[in-house]
Amino acid sequence: GAVVSQHPSRVICKSGTSVKIECRSLDFQATTMFWYRQFPKKSLMLMATSNEGSKATYEQGVEKDKFLINHASLTLSTLTVTSAHPEDSSFYICSATDQYEQYFGPGTRLTVT
Amino acid sequence: GENVEQHPSTLSVQEGDSAVIKCTYSDSASNYFPWYKQELGKRPQLIIDIRSNVGEKKDQRIAVTLNKTAKHFSLHITETQPEDSAVYFCAASTGFQKLVFGTGTRLLVSP
Repeated sequence: GAVVSQHPSRVICKSGTSVKIECRSLDFQATTMFWYRQFPKKSLMLMATSNEGSKATYEQGVEKDKFLINHASLTLSTLTVTSAHPEDSSFYICSATDQYEQYFGPGTRLTVT
Repeated sequence: GENVEQHPSTLSVQEGDSAVIKCTYSDSASNYFPWYKQELGKRPQLIIDIRSNVGEKKDQRIAVTLNKTAKHFSLHITETQPEDSAVYFCAASTGFQKLVFGTGTRLLVSP
């Protein structure tokens, strides 16, 4: 099946700093990518839909100025957590669709100290 | 918007028993229903999916049934094995737009 990578897999940052997470589709072009957040022992919550060449569509309650999404090419979407706080600590997972299936990245565990 | 409910939240079975997980959805426009298995700290892995034009689909020990009228779908795992232990999520979407996930079921298969 198709492969989606995410980088970094783990990141620890201090409060107030920004962190960028990359999501890449390695062997297919993805016009649409999705960003999810997952708290421990909880389900995946969609944060935003990232469309190549256009602005991301954010879900209700997600601060677009805090979670900046850029989908600059058909194989790369980035999520930047700006001015991170401890409550932003979570597991962030991206996915990409080839119009048949959604393929998930391995996730990024963010810890804000 | 779509809302997906999933039951039970935890399920313990003996090896060799069957396990059934049920989900209901609210949006009649949803037409794609995948099931994912997620191990701790790992990405969700698609194990089976079903589209709204099909009532049942089977893949070896795993089957999914869909009742569009009642808006519910179920995952059936037969002859469970310890390696089936994980968290299982159902999801629903319209086409290949955003997936709405259920709350998850922690399955524990005891040897």
